[in-house]
Amino acid sequence: DGGITQSPKYLFRKEGQNVTLSCEQNLNHDAMYWYRQDPGQGLRLIYYSQIVNDFQKGDIAEGYSVSREKKESFPLTVTSAQKNPTAFYLCASSMALAGAPRNEQFFGPGTRLTVL
Amino acid sequence: SQQGEEDPQALSIQEGENATMNCSYKTSINNLQWYRQNSGRGLVHLILIRSNEREKHSGRLRVTLDTSKKSSSLLITASRAADTASYFCATRAGNMLTFGGGTRLMVKP
Repeated sequence: DGGITQSPKYLFRKEGQNVTLSCEQNLNHDAMYWYRQDPGQGLRLIYYSQIVNDFQKGDIAEGYSVSREKKESFPLTVTSAQKNPTAFYLCASSMALAGAPRNEQFFGPGTRLTVL
Repeated sequence: SQQGEEDPQALSIQEGENATMNCSYKTSINNLQWYRQNSGRGLVHLILIRSNEREKHSGRLRVTLDTSKKSSSLLITASRAADTASYFCATRAGNMLTFGGGTRLMVKP
């Protein structure tokens, strides 16, 4: 899956608990992204980061938090404030933000989160 | 907000037939990209077409772009059972890619 790893593949959590999803890339990409995908739907952007120690909210950031302390890592925390967290979460990276000419994104294999 | 909308939502064909998927979008774009997703997996980039290009080929894939109609099509020729997947178009909206809802393609052997 293009040098991006996500762990775990499946994650179960009880209501009211925070949980952190891991995303690591060895592609030396500057930009990283988190998406949420619900069954039969497209991807919705949660957060993105252009550079270390900087990140921006996407379309559905409420109830989520991220950090970017290292270029290779962009963990996503799903907090108890997220009302409906059960979904498939995809991490991606690219050489630069989408506006640059070569901006295809490389995706990890995803983490399926289920809230019990 | 969903910039791209794919049509049809689902498509079922026989192996060897061609598959055509369409994507419409709302605002001006820098480029449009097509991705493939196998069930339960991450997305894989297939092809990128810039706003000043009208057609692009890659193997059995052919992509067209009509900026006047704000639409694109993806043609897969001589389909194979292994082409069974969901296909998404993605367009730039500001500084990010915005993905459509996808077309679920099933190729029957």
